[in-house]
Amino acid sequence: QKEVEQNSGPLSVPEGAIASLNCTYSDRGSQSFFWYRQYSGKSPELIMSIYSNGDKEDGRFTAQLNKASQYVSLLIRDSQPSDSATYLCAVYTGRRALTFGSGTRLQVQP
Amino acid sequence: EAGVVQSPRYKIIEKKQPVAFWCNPISGHNTLYWYRQNLGQGPELLIRYENEEAVDDSQLPKDRFSAERLKGVDSTLKIQPAELGDSAVYLCASRGQTEDEQFFGPGTRLTVL
Repeated sequence: QKEVEQNSGPLSVPEGAIASLNCTYSDRGSQSFFWYRQYSGKSPELIMSIYSNGDKEDGRFTAQLNKASQYVSLLIRDSQPSDSATYLCAVYTGRRALTFGSGTRLQVQP
Repeated sequence: EAGVVQSPRYKIIEKKQPVAFWCNPISGHNTLYWYRQNLGQGPELLIRYENEEAVDDSQLPKDRFSAERLKGVDSTLKIQPAELGDSAVYLCASRGQTEDEQFFGPGTRLTVL
């Protein structure tokens, strides 16, 4: 079992819809969780961090964390074609380095 | 505030040749990471520095890879000799002392022929 798992996609949503991206992790002791956006040929860009159970909202983005279920999600409201990218879920392990999932490719159809 | 700087952005070499990558972290960031990202995968840690000390290099292939961060600021990652399987994007990231967020540089795309 991978330490951080994501559906590779592609996840295709129409413009203006809500995109829901999911991630599960295996280390029950993990405390810090991040979502990065990566455009093709570019480096990962941090878009959200979450540390406590529940929801955290930032503009059109909402991160959700459920430590009991070892589950993190990212919701993108009013999806735009510019949101089309690969979204990487990342979790801090005891090694104080990020463990990344393989990413979910999101396609927003105009 | 300037972000993480890396150079070169692209490098094409033949197998068995040496190659080096340079990284300058965000000013004041004590923790520096080197990651490698293969196509279709997430970044994977190679080495982590706290100031000038390499505190986690367990994933660094030490037979051919080396890294240094002599003054606790910028860092160099070297491969000698390069193999075909080393083709990847090499990413540098840094983190401040009181925060968990890591910020990535633009990366170096290495192609080994």
